[in-house]
Amino acid sequence: IAGITQAPTSQILAAGRRMTLRCTQDMRHNAMYWYRQDLGLGLRLIHYSNTAGTTGKGEVPDGYSVSRANTDDFPLTLASAVPSQTSVYFCASSDGADRKQFFGPGTRLTVL
Amino acid sequence: RKEVEQDPGPFNVPEGATVAFNCTYSNSASQSFFWYRQDCRKEPKLLMSVYSSGNEDGRFTAQLNRASQYISLLIRDSKLSDSATYLCVVNPPGGYNKLIFGAGTRLAVHP
Repeated sequence: IAGITQAPTSQILAAGRRMTLRCTQDMRHNAMYWYRQDLGLGLRLIHYSNTAGTTGKGEVPDGYSVSRANTDDFPLTLASAVPSQTSVYFCASSDGADRKQFFGPGTRLTVL
Repeated sequence: RKEVEQDPGPFNVPEGATVAFNCTYSNSASQSFFWYRQDCRKEPKLLMSVYSSGNEDGRFTAQLNRASQYISLLIRDSKLSDSATYLCVVNPPGGYNKLIFGAGTRLAVHP
């Protein structure tokens, strides 16, 4: 793989179900991020991780959790999905030096 | 006031036209600035960084005006392939790697 991959590409989920979105990068970047993108609102940061073993809350963390067990993987979990979590989710990574972030292809999630 | 504001457009221009987008940011201590491009239903991709002295990459020119807290993107000789949404992105102070994204300006280039 090259860059960042996300899985699944899309998912329809019943409200109340638990869901984990997967993100893997092979660039050995220290920092990783999860964003959601909704029409007219732009990208909003959910959670981030500056390095393996650490995580932090972004602008809209409620209802989501993350873990960073190693450099490559940064899964995002919705413990009990709600319809307002319907969105497109992007994972990103950066090496920190110049602030540039590189994005995965996204996961389109619909919660019914 | 939003931290990063952009005119949503759309800007409809003919091929070969020159088009410019502006973006304003609220935090005067912001440190790094970028333009990203996003095609429909795809991930954002870095177009270019924006430096204090202004910078150019082929047909694209980016400028930063710290006094007025805005950045701009100029596209010369527009191509059909330039049709996309352009996202203005700012790195706020104390945010380390955090970036704040504008909602984007949509550009449609027609034949």
